[in-house]
Amino acid sequence: DTEVTQTPKHLVMGMTNKKSLKCEQHMGHRAMYWYKQKAKKPPELMFVYSYEKLSINESVPSRFSPECPNSSLLNLHLHALQPEDSALYLCASSQDPALGWTQYFGPGTRLLVL
Amino acid sequence: GENVEQHPSTLSVQEGDSAVIKCTYSDSASNYFPWYKQELGKRPQLIIDIRSNVGEKKDQRIAVTLNKTAKHFSLHITETQPEDSAVYFCAASKTSYDKVIFGPGTSLSVIP
Repeated sequence: DTEVTQTPKHLVMGMTNKKSLKCEQHMGHRAMYWYKQKAKKPPELMFVYSYEKLSINESVPSRFSPECPNSSLLNLHLHALQPEDSALYLCASSQDPALGWTQYFGPGTRLLVL
Repeated sequence: GENVEQHPSTLSVQEGDSAVIKCTYSDSASNYFPWYKQELGKRPQLIIDIRSNVGEKKDQRIAVTLNKTAKHFSLHITETQPEDSAVYFCAASKTSYDKVIFGPGTSLSVIP
């Protein structure tokens, strides 16, 4: 299995809702990432998990809460989002970081906050 | 921190012609340089990468060159086809527990 999968594909939520994005990989990768991407812009790093521990938080607002239950799964919990948080949320994974930084992206979740 | 610049921001070529996208990076410690292609509504996909101990790498119609002294790297696509139309992102990173810094992207259009 050489894919990163994400669910849901699309999500519409109100500013008072709580929702979660899910990401899964079965490539044995030990680093997993959350990115936010706005239209016509590059992916913007949010969080990095390395060996299931949070290693990088790019000063992301607390209304975004990541979780890594095990080495194959990565969640992003959303609460009290703002309309400007509407974007494509991409998950990625890579092998042991010491071996290089090739990141493989999932298809993304397109989020709309009303 | 690392900064990656990318030019041009848009590029239009005739089918069959070559396309060249250029990037510069600021951190001389960067040693890994991937290129991603993102079609409209799709995920970024790695198309080629190069490490700092190599000056050039080729994969069929795609090649990447790296000039460590000048801190430049470039993507070359030969015999372009309409399916090459996409946004291309260059990126730079250092080994181990560090971030991948993306360039702003180049929107390539191949005109049939």
